[in-house]
Amino acid sequence: GQSLEQPSEVTAVEGAIVQMNCTYQTSGFYGLSWYQQHDGGAPTFLSYNALDGLEETGRFSSFLSRSDSYGYLLLQELQMKDSASYFCAVSTGSARQLTFGSGTQLTVLP
Amino acid sequence: DGGITQSPKYLFRKEGQNVTLSCEQNLNHDAMYWYRQDPGQGLRLIYYSQIVNDFQKGDIAEGYSVSREKKESFPLTVTSAQKNPTAFYLCASSLAGAPNNEQFFGPGTRLTVL
Repeated sequence: GQSLEQPSEVTAVEGAIVQMNCTYQTSGFYGLSWYQQHDGGAPTFLSYNALDGLEETGRFSSFLSRSDSYGYLLLQELQMKDSASYFCAVSTGSARQLTFGSGTQLTVLP
Repeated sequence: DGGITQSPKYLFRKEGQNVTLSCEQNLNHDAMYWYRQDPGQGLRLIYYSQIVNDFQKGDIAEGYSVSREKKESFPLTVTSAQKNPTAFYLCASSLAGAPNNEQFFGPGTRLTVL
């Protein structure tokens, strides 16, 4: 089976940089995804890493090390609207279905 | 507007009753998924379907059933055999072979069994 670990909570101030880590154990790994979910809302896709290295999209960056079974999501210039839960998910299987971690609750303080 | 719709947003049922949750997409996506989310937890895969008339069990399929008679629709039935059905249910879809494997989610149905 698959297992993922994420810190349960992270707190940072507006304008700062925050890194949220994800470690995983899995077989048949294709890639690591990140999703954002505001309270009561639907998850929205942020990024996907299939290869080692850093992917950047605006204020968001995601990193993957396949050899270490580790990835992180980096958020820069934090804004209040970034307060949400962030989930990492591994893609496995013939359908590349997702297995999600338990998520990190990010709180951005003024 | 293209997207995924789920109805209803809130659903209340008595214990022992079966209930069907609706999921419709007009994104022309091949694959569709059902997830369950409990408070403070991640999403757990119930069932998924890659093509019409075919579907596979996910990690927590017991007590649930699905059908995929049309590409646009993937209803989920929560049966009386599901021991703890109260949860937030999310439907998603994706394009087969998409390089970023992105899944698009509906707004969810919050089911409460009394």
